[in-house]
Amino acid sequence: DAGVIQSPRHEVTEMGQEVTLRCKPISGHNSLFWYRQTMMRGLELLIYFNNNVPIDDSGMPEDRFSAKMPNASFSTLKIQPSEPRDSAVYFCASSRLAPSSYNEQFFGPGTRLTVL
Amino acid sequence: SQQGEEDPQALSIQEGENATMNCSYKTSINNLQWYRQNSGRGLVHLILIRSNEREKHSGRLRVTLDTSKKSSSLLITASRAADTASYFCATVLNQAGTALIFGKGTTLSVSS
Repeated sequence: DAGVIQSPRHEVTEMGQEVTLRCKPISGHNSLFWYRQTMMRGLELLIYFNNNVPIDDSGMPEDRFSAKMPNASFSTLKIQPSEPRDSAVYFCASSRLAPSSYNEQFFGPGTRLTVL
Repeated sequence: SQQGEEDPQALSIQEGENATMNCSYKTSINNLQWYRQNSGRGLVHLILIRSNEREKHSGRLRVTLDTSKKSSSLLITASRAADTASYFCATVLNQAGTALIFGKGTTLSVSS
């Protein structure tokens, strides 16, 4: 299994530009999570999907952030327009939608976003 | 939002020594998990302990859970330089089902 795949691995953009981060979860996993990690705030859950349906987006910082999951094998996180304070490492993770007693998550390698 | 808090924030030890990291949380949980993150990489699941368990072992890892104190500890025995990483506890809330809430992590440095 290839694991969770994220692209791009690094993104450098200028303030005001649109940024799209992509994620392919592990085949057979039906929960997908987007996290953001910074030194100041640690690892924050932005949004998660169960069976392609957004369940909780309360962690999305602003309306500039949006996420979609058009099918079970693909998700995007879009920032439009981007700002320097969006600079962070963005992780995608997936898991099986098992009974809540077991929810191991598998993380992708992350996308390091730098907004100048 | 509820969050685990790891203690200490940073820990430096010599190879062969044991490393103990603690995690405290605020509300009732379904289970608690520990993850490791090597520099520049994603998080990797280490071990899960359910709310009705008190201790669990996996290789050199030992996890304890005290639900009355809302705390957990991760012990790494006979540490190696390769154990150098950040360690995070994550809780699954009773009512949340699948979402994990992560703490800020403990950065462990093991020198040879």
